[in-house]
Amino acid sequence: DTGVSQDPRHKITKRGQNVTFRCDPISEHNRLYWYRQTLGQGPEFLTYFQNEAQLEKSRLLSDRFSAERPKGSFSTLEIQRTEQGDSAMYLCASRNRDSTGELFFGEGSRLTVL
Amino acid sequence: AQSVTQLDSHVSVSEGTPVLLRCNYSSSYSPSLFWYVQHPNKGLQLLLKYTSAATLVKGINGFEAEFKKSETSFHLTKPSAHMSDAAEYFCVVSDTGGFKTIFGAGTRLFVKA
Repeated sequence: DTGVSQDPRHKITKRGQNVTFRCDPISEHNRLYWYRQTLGQGPEFLTYFQNEAQLEKSRLLSDRFSAERPKGSFSTLEIQRTEQGDSAMYLCASRNRDSTGELFFGEGSRLTVL
Repeated sequence: AQSVTQLDSHVSVSEGTPVLLRCNYSSSYSPSLFWYVQHPNKGLQLLLKYTSAATLVKGINGFEAEFKKSETSFHLTKPSAHMSDAAEYFCVVSDTGGFKTIFGAGTRLFVKA
């Protein structure tokens, strides 16, 4: 296993279109996180899964955003009716059952909304 | 609720001089604390973590951090900066259950030759 992978790495879309990002965590990790990072800022927490259950969602995650982890393995983050303010790097991370353990991050999916 | 504040948005040091990046946290629980580094166009990498064992934590590349509960601080230090240390550094707090994990705004470290 080579780590957390995210796809696509870059996405350019027009305002109003829908986009979907995929994250494949490290296989034995049951916890999966989504963050959003804009230029010059730290990653902002969006949502968190333990296995297939979405346990917490940030207020940042408006009703245009939805995340799933249907079988407790890979996860998708969908943004509907994209806005220019959605332009950011979307980061996925995973962690094993050790609650004090390291978060392993993917390289991120960069979204540009024109 | 938990939060983390990085006290400096930018720090500039000369190569070979000490580095100090400051972090204060707030947590209702006994937190786990981390420092991550992000080089330009690279992913986030763990430098070190504190998880209620020794208060002085040693990490990779000569970095270390000291957990001070009375000051609610977890400052990152390195005795001698190297050009390759130039990057963005994030202080991170995680609650006891490892659920919500919050990042600070980051400190950009510049290293002058």
